[in-house]
Amino acid sequence: AQSVTQPDIHITVSEGASLELRCNYSYGATPYLFWYVQSPGQGLQLLLKYFSGDTLVQGIKGFEAEFKRSQSSFNLRKPSVHWSDAAEYFCAVASRGAGNMLTFGGGTRLMVKP
Amino acid sequence: DGGITQSPKYLFRKEGQNVTLSCEQNLNHDAMYWYRQDPGQGLRLIYYSQIVNDFQKGDIAEGYSVSREKKESFPLTVTSAQKNPTAFYLCASSMYGHGNTIYFGEGSWLTVV
Repeated sequence: AQSVTQPDIHITVSEGASLELRCNYSYGATPYLFWYVQSPGQGLQLLLKYFSGDTLVQGIKGFEAEFKRSQSSFNLRKPSVHWSDAAEYFCAVASRGAGNMLTFGGGTRLMVKP
Repeated sequence: DGGITQSPKYLFRKEGQNVTLSCEQNLNHDAMYWYRQDPGQGLRLIYYSQIVNDFQKGDIAEGYSVSREKKESFPLTVTSAQKNPTAFYLCASSMYGHGNTIYFGEGSWLTVV
């Protein structure tokens, strides 16, 4: 069965600093990979997704993620964090089989210091 | 505007009562989903439906029921059999087929007292 691990439950960075959120997945083949962001008490918004091709994926709000097959990772990065980026971030994987169900990691809560 | 509408946003119910959460989408999506989110945890799939009049259990379907009589609507009933129903519930939808982006509603908070 597929699974997703986000090792960092909480991360605090200073505004303007760079950010990297870690995501590791377990899946037998190349999966579809997603990053979502959630503001408190709200739904999830898609930041970016990886299907195939270029392993560096650009998303909205200045985020990018890199798929590394050898490390089973799909880490999310941003070169300069803004206070409005404070939120919870979820990595998810979808199988390439039938259906379109996502398996989510436990999430990483990002706090931004002024 | 196109989107997914969940109602109510906040719901309080007494233990032992059934409660139904509404989810409507006007994105013309074929597939719809219900996820449960507990504090500090990721999302877990309750039920999903890929076409009208058909739905399948997800990872935590016990104590929940759904129906899909219309393409736009996928209501979730939290029954009295659900042992720990207090949670944040998210409805989502997508086009049919794996890999399509799943879009989420704003969620419903259910508190059982």
